[in-house]
Amino acid sequence: DGGITQSPKYLFRKEGQNVTLSCEQNLNHDAMYWYRQDPGQGLRLIYYSQIVNDFQKGDIAEGYSVSREKKESFPLTVTSAQKNPTAFYLCASSVDWSSYNEQFFGPGTRLTVL
Amino acid sequence: AQSVSQHNHHVILSEAASLELGCNYSYGGTVNLFWYVQYPGQHLQLLLKYFSGDPLVKGIKGFEAEFIKSKFSFNLRKPSVQWSDTAEYFCAVNAHSGGGADGLTFGKGTHLIIQP
Repeated sequence: DGGITQSPKYLFRKEGQNVTLSCEQNLNHDAMYWYRQDPGQGLRLIYYSQIVNDFQKGDIAEGYSVSREKKESFPLTVTSAQKNPTAFYLCASSVDWSSYNEQFFGPGTRLTVL
Repeated sequence: AQSVSQHNHHVILSEAASLELGCNYSYGGTVNLFWYVQYPGQHLQLLLKYFSGDPLVKGIKGFEAEFIKSKFSFNLRKPSVQWSDTAEYFCAVNAHSGGGADGLTFGKGTHLIIQP
């Protein structure tokens, strides 16, 4: 089945540790995105990548980093510099970087920093 | 930068009631508009979208939305809701600022509860 996978579903980390969230898609999509979802806040864009080996900061990029070395993979690292990392993280992809294209979402990773 | 406002954070309705969820956006140029739904325990999925043409768009599961450019609105409607419509609904905008998909701007969401 084609789709987006995110792992793990739940992740616990101690404060001060970096953690990397996985996102893989087999849809052959060029563009990929990371969003953060907090209760009552909707989704906010962290980083996006329009094509492999390229990525751009979104609205709340501070304390996060990404890489896009392969078309199908767009991992997100939550660094110790992120002041409030506990949240639900959603990865998405779209066919290409045209604004006409629907974004498809993964199941999400719930990160809890203790 | 664009922004999206959803008027109701929580809505409770009885089955068979009519539904209208408000969505307003702020951006002076051309926009693409979306409604996404997140059912309990499921992925966020697209309900419907508007790019151009007929301002009344129909989506899955009997939902429709009307784009009113003069009011910067894209309200979601359903004539008769079902218990299975219980979910969180998000309005989203993608502005044509240079033509690229630099991510969607989402509203804060409306949590809809349908009582049997």
